[in-house]
Amino acid sequence: AQKVTQAQTEISVVEKEDVTLDCVYETRDTTYYLFWYKQPPSGELVFLIRRNSFDEQNEISGRYSWNFQKSTSSFNFTITASQVVDSAVYFCALFYNAGNMLTFGGGTRLMVKP
Amino acid sequence: NAGVTQTPKFQVLKTGQSMTLQCAQDMNHNSMYWYRQDPGMGLRLIYYSASEGTTDKGEVPNGYNVSRLNKREFSLRLESAAPSQTSVYFCASSEEGGGSRNQPQHFGDGTRLSIL
Repeated sequence: AQKVTQAQTEISVVEKEDVTLDCVYETRDTTYYLFWYKQPPSGELVFLIRRNSFDEQNEISGRYSWNFQKSTSSFNFTITASQVVDSAVYFCALFYNAGNMLTFGGGTRLMVKP
Repeated sequence: NAGVTQTPKFQVLKTGQSMTLQCAQDMNHNSMYWYRQDPGMGLRLIYYSASEGTTDKGEVPNGYNVSRLNKREFSLRLESAAPSQTSVYFCASSEEGGGSRNQPQHFGDGTRLSIL
C-alpha cells in the first residue's frame, strides 16, 4: 500500500531561519512521482515541484530546495531564510502508476514569525 | 486567468438535503478530480474523470456522485448529506489523459461545506 507521512504537524520559526519539512513515503511501485504543494491561509493549493523516481538530483528554486533520497524513501523540502509569506500548510504527495492515484500526506503547518 | 473555478465557496446544509458542487476549468485539461480535505488528513480523492465521458472512484467515493458534463465541467453531488461529509472540497484538473495522472494538478479555491 502507498502512504505519505509528514511527521511534523506544526513548525514555528523566526523569520530568516532555515527550516526543513520532512516527507517519508511508502510504495511498492518502481515508477512513481513525488509532489509538494503549498496551501497559504487563503486556502488554495499551489503546486511547487514534481520529481520522478528515476531522478534523484536535488533541486533548488530560489530559497526553496528539495532533497530526494530513495535509500530512505524521503523527499524533504528546505526553505532557506524563511519569510512571513512562507507561512502555510505544506503537503507532500505521491503518485504511483499502479494505483493511478495521488496520495497526500497529512500536511505540515509552518508558521514564520517576524 | 481563471484556472479552476468552484461554486459555491461556502454552503450550509441540513442532514438529508441534496446539493451539487460545480467545477469548471479553462485550461483545456483532460483530467479532473474531486477531493475532500479534513483536518490532519490531507486531501483524499473522492472521484476523478480521466477524460470527457468517463468517471472513476477514488479513495472515499461513498455518499457522492459525479458528472463530467463536458471537457470543462465536473460536478460533485451529495444526494443525502450527512454530518460526516462536513469538509472542504477541492476540484482539480491536470493536462494528461488516459488515466495517467502524474502531471501537476491545478486546484480551485475550495468549497467549505457544513452539514448540520
